[in-house]
Amino acid sequence: GENVEQHPSTLSVQEGDSAVIKCTYSDSASNYFPWYKQELGKRPQLIIDIRSNVGEKKDQRIAVTLNKTAKHFSLHITETQPEDSAVYFCAAVGGTSYGKLTFGQGTILTVHP
Amino acid sequence: GAVVSQHPSWVICKSGTSVKIECRSLDFQATTMFWYRQFPKQSLMLMATSNEGSKATYEQGVEKDKFLINHASLTLSTLTVTSAHPEDSSFYICSASLGESEAFFGQGTRLTVV
Repeated sequence: GENVEQHPSTLSVQEGDSAVIKCTYSDSASNYFPWYKQELGKRPQLIIDIRSNVGEKKDQRIAVTLNKTAKHFSLHITETQPEDSAVYFCAAVGGTSYGKLTFGQGTILTVHP
Repeated sequence: GAVVSQHPSWVICKSGTSVKIECRSLDFQATTMFWYRQFPKQSLMLMATSNEGSKATYEQGVEKDKFLINHASLTLSTLTVTSAHPEDSSFYICSASLGESEAFFGQGTRLTVV
């Protein structure tokens, strides 16, 4: 089955700096890669996603890049703000059922004012 | 986007009792739903795939007799934790998707077994 590795496990940045979180996946058949932000006790919130036929996607301060050959994808947050502090998860999906997700281990992002 | 509602949001039960958690798709029909478990400070782990009208598919290591899943209608899947023990205390969350769309999550259920 799919295995997703996520790094780093914790990331501390100063407000205004950029943050980068990286994930690798094992199953070359995976074709959908979402990123989630989760606050304590809450459901995961989709912040950006990318499909396997796209190499990069950007939404305001957030961008995701995908390298299918190397089987890795990354989340980039620019101009970080304290409210970006949360746990971030990457995930991978194979096939057409996008509800069946394999999650990375998570990254605790702390943005210091 | 589509709405998935989960109930209850939290529950405390005594060791040895059973607890039922409901997951409803409010504005779409979901032939397939998914159940995840999240221990504190850990990631979400897929427990099982709930299939409307047929048996659930469990991930390796998940006891099907302990975590009973019923998906009797196109909008409702239930997870029953039977003979709960303190080690079953966790955050349980369901999801569903509309074909090749994003996954929609329920609010999650915090289960505490005392």
